[in-house]
Amino acid sequence: GQQLNQSPQSMFIQEGEDVSMNCTSSSIFNTWLWYKQDPGEGPVLLIALYKAGELTSNGRLTAQFGITRKDSFLNISASIPSDVGIYFCATSGSARQLTFGSGTQLTVLP
Amino acid sequence: SAVISQKPSRDICQRGTSLTIQCQVDSQVTMMFWYRQQPGQSLTLIATANQGSEATYESGFVIDKFPISRPNLTFSTLTVSNMSPEDSSIYLCSVEGGRAVDEQFFGPGTRLTVL
Repeated sequence: GQQLNQSPQSMFIQEGEDVSMNCTSSSIFNTWLWYKQDPGEGPVLLIALYKAGELTSNGRLTAQFGITRKDSFLNISASIPSDVGIYFCATSGSARQLTFGSGTQLTVLP
Repeated sequence: SAVISQKPSRDICQRGTSLTIQCQVDSQVTMMFWYRQQPGQSLTLIATANQGSEATYESGFVIDKFPISRPNLTFSTLTVSNMSPEDSSIYLCSVEGGRAVDEQFFGPGTRLTVL
């Protein structure tokens, strides 16, 4: 089945620093999604990407859909304590089912 | 985006018993999805539930173990049958919506512990 390689697995950063994480795949996709999951909660959709090369922002978050359609990255600028959580990339299959990356655990140190 | 609730939010169950998880949406949706998130892991799709038809299960998941009901366009249940400790996970339902059908919105999840 589809497999998404997400890195890094975890990150420890100082408050105010910028963060970058990415996902790659051997398959081509038409959609890339980025979710954040807080402890005890379900994932929340942050950004959705539908076009190769597309660069989309949501506040301090910026995500890009790779030109090859096999990868995507998410950047967070000027991190704050509430950015702590697990970030997942996801892609959509032919039957609208989502495949998730392994997640990036982000810790923001004061 | 749709507002999704799940019941129970958490439960501790004995081996060999079954638990039914409910998912309620505040608007009518065509497709609902059930995912499993094992401890420290990512989300894995169990099945897709459409109203009026049998659920479609992903490889590795079977109806006898995870029967699903979808009686109307706002509600679905997932049953975890004959539970074992390996079934300890967070179970999440989601619905499509947003700008495009590919975008899914998730409920808060049901944290299940099997002793």
